[in-house]
Amino acid sequence: GEDVEQSLFLSVREGDSSVINCTYTDSSSTYLYWYKQEPGAGLQLLTYIFSNMDMKQDQRLTVLLNKKDKHLSLRIADTQTGDSAIYFCAESGVSGAGGGADGLTFGKGTHLIIQP
Amino acid sequence: NAGVTQTPKFQVLKTGQSMTLQCAQDMNHNSMYWYRQDPGMGLRLIYYSASEGTTDKGEVPNGYNVSRLNKREFSLRLESAAPSQTSVYFCASGDTNTGELFFGEGSRLTVL
Repeated sequence: GEDVEQSLFLSVREGDSSVINCTYTDSSSTYLYWYKQEPGAGLQLLTYIFSNMDMKQDQRLTVLLNKKDKHLSLRIADTQTGDSAIYFCAESGVSGAGGGADGLTFGKGTHLIIQP
Repeated sequence: NAGVTQTPKFQVLKTGQSMTLQCAQDMNHNSMYWYRQDPGMGLRLIYYSASEGTTDKGEVPNGYNVSRLNKREFSLRLESAAPSQTSVYFCASGDTNTGELFFGEGSRLTVL
């Protein structure tokens, strides 16, 4: 079955880069996503990457996709205290866009802790 | 912009009581979802509805029922609550063009 794995915690110093890693099992996934959850709130989409791309950059965020190894990473440059949150990796599976069928499969989330 | 609205935000139940979590979206999405979030478990899909009039089981459907009342509304019902259903419940709707899921703010349920 589908499975998404990510480490539970990452601690970085303010101003450094954060790299959150994720591995997935469903090679047919069309889209892969990064969601952010701040305390007491729901999940919000940070960015997503289509499976035929290797990299996507959006301001301080860089997503790298290695399809061969089924590895996805999220790099946050110049990490700020406002980046402190839980980051979820998710895959769409065969359903393509993922929003029209059986939803997304989420990892357990990585708690990003910012040290001053 | 309301997006996805779910109620109530907090609820405490006794074992055996019933309740319904309400969810509504104003983005004209066809698909809607109910997830539960537990420490160390991430998000797990309870039920989903690909379109008005259809519902399907997700990963953890036991102890729950759902109703897709119309395109906007998707409710989750606990007929006889159990302590194992203590969790934070999230409703979401999906944009089939982009694949993005839009989440509500969550409903924190405690079953004593």
